[in-house]
Amino acid sequence: DVKVTQSSRYLVKRTGEKVFLECVQDMDHENMFWYRQDPGLGLRLIYFSYDVKMKEKGDIPEGYSVSREKKERFSLILESASTNQTSMYLCASSLAGGSYNSPLHFGNGTRLTVT
Amino acid sequence: GQQLNQSPQSMFIQEGEDVSMNCTSSSIFNTWLWYKQDPGEGPVLLIALYKAGELTSNGRLTAQFGITRKDSFLNISASIPSDVGIYFCAGQLYGGATNKLIFGTGTLLAVQP
Repeated sequence: DVKVTQSSRYLVKRTGEKVFLECVQDMDHENMFWYRQDPGLGLRLIYFSYDVKMKEKGDIPEGYSVSREKKERFSLILESASTNQTSMYLCASSLAGGSYNSPLHFGNGTRLTVT
Repeated sequence: GQQLNQSPQSMFIQEGEDVSMNCTSSSIFNTWLWYKQDPGEGPVLLIALYKAGELTSNGRLTAQFGITRKDSFLNISASIPSDVGIYFCAGQLYGGATNKLIFGTGTLLAVQP
């Protein structure tokens, strides 16, 4: 079974802090994604990566950056956390794009509260 | 960014009832997917649809890929308490290096025993 592990289930940070959310997958997937989940808005894509050291902006990249130094690890960085970044963050991975048989596999999420 | 319109936003039903939810878009998609998120967990894929008009079942779940390629429906028959969760539709267009998905806004399902 594919396992996507997010390092923290809950995080509480102060406004202005630099925040790192870590995600590791164990299935050698090429693609990794960071989503944000908010009630009534569904899942919105922040950033994704299709290879080591490659990254592309999703729909809501403002205020975030990412790092992918190793294939199995994809980090989401909040350079200066703000209260409007309080949310559930979901990491996902999949095989290389264009394949019919490459669904997203999600982690269990990190609930971040910025006070 | 683009989002899919998913309805209803929430449903509160009795065990044994059937459930229907749908998703519509202004754009066409090559693939429609339905995910379920159990409380405290990440979404898990339930059903994938690859062809316009396709009707696919997975146990008590049945989903259809709309003929216009702009909508999809999910039905759950004879609901049980473990059906509780948030259901998301997702549309996918192929192209480029990744299989980027557009997600719906979600349907929260509560089932009373």
